[in-house]
Amino acid sequence: DADVTQTPRNRITKTGKRIMLECSQTKGHDRMYWYRQDPGLGLRLIYYSFDVKDINKGEISDGYSVSRQAQAKFSLSLESAIPNQTALYFCATSEGTAGQPQHFGDGTRLSIL
Amino acid sequence: EDQVTQSPEALRLQEGESSSLNCSYTVSGLRGLFWYRQDPGKGPEFLFTLYSAGEEKEKERLKATLTKKESFLHITAPKPEDSATYLCAVRASGGYNKLIFGAGTRLAVHP
Repeated sequence: DADVTQTPRNRITKTGKRIMLECSQTKGHDRMYWYRQDPGLGLRLIYYSFDVKDINKGEISDGYSVSRQAQAKFSLSLESAIPNQTALYFCATSEGTAGQPQHFGDGTRLSIL
Repeated sequence: EDQVTQSPEALRLQEGESSSLNCSYTVSGLRGLFWYRQDPGKGPEFLFTLYSAGEEKEKERLKATLTKKESFLHITAPKPEDSATYLCAVRASGGYNKLIFGAGTRLAVHP
């Protein structure tokens, strides 16, 4: 089984709908992250969480919200989806020690019509 | 502003033809440079971390090197299974593990 699991893997929805993407991990890491990936651009950080009570905005948090339900679960919500939120979304985890690599799930391909 | 630029955007090699991918960075106080491999439909897979100029890491046909301004990923005698997008990221200064990613280099190795 994958260490970092994202659901769903693919989602097509309409403008204005509320969408939740889920991430769960079995690595035992405290830190979790949400990124989006667009063609020709690097991965960009949306939100990150260092533990259940610590959630922080990344560089592109507008239009998104997150919930850290448990150490192993971190979900991303789009309250009212818009077409320019069409992208690949990745969840990642890392150990608490500074400088440790982040480990990624296989992503959710989200299309908003 | 912290920035990472990868070149070339795409690279086509014949099997066995060695080459290098470049990652140039500007960051205030480098705290780690990371290389990842990404296959289609998959998330980035961690390859290497480099922390200081002069450091080198190797894994099979891949070797990563670091200077004060750039990193190279050298691919020696590549095979078709090395075809992937290679991503470079730097850890920016600040109190959390923020990574700044480059756009990646798409590598295709043909038999």
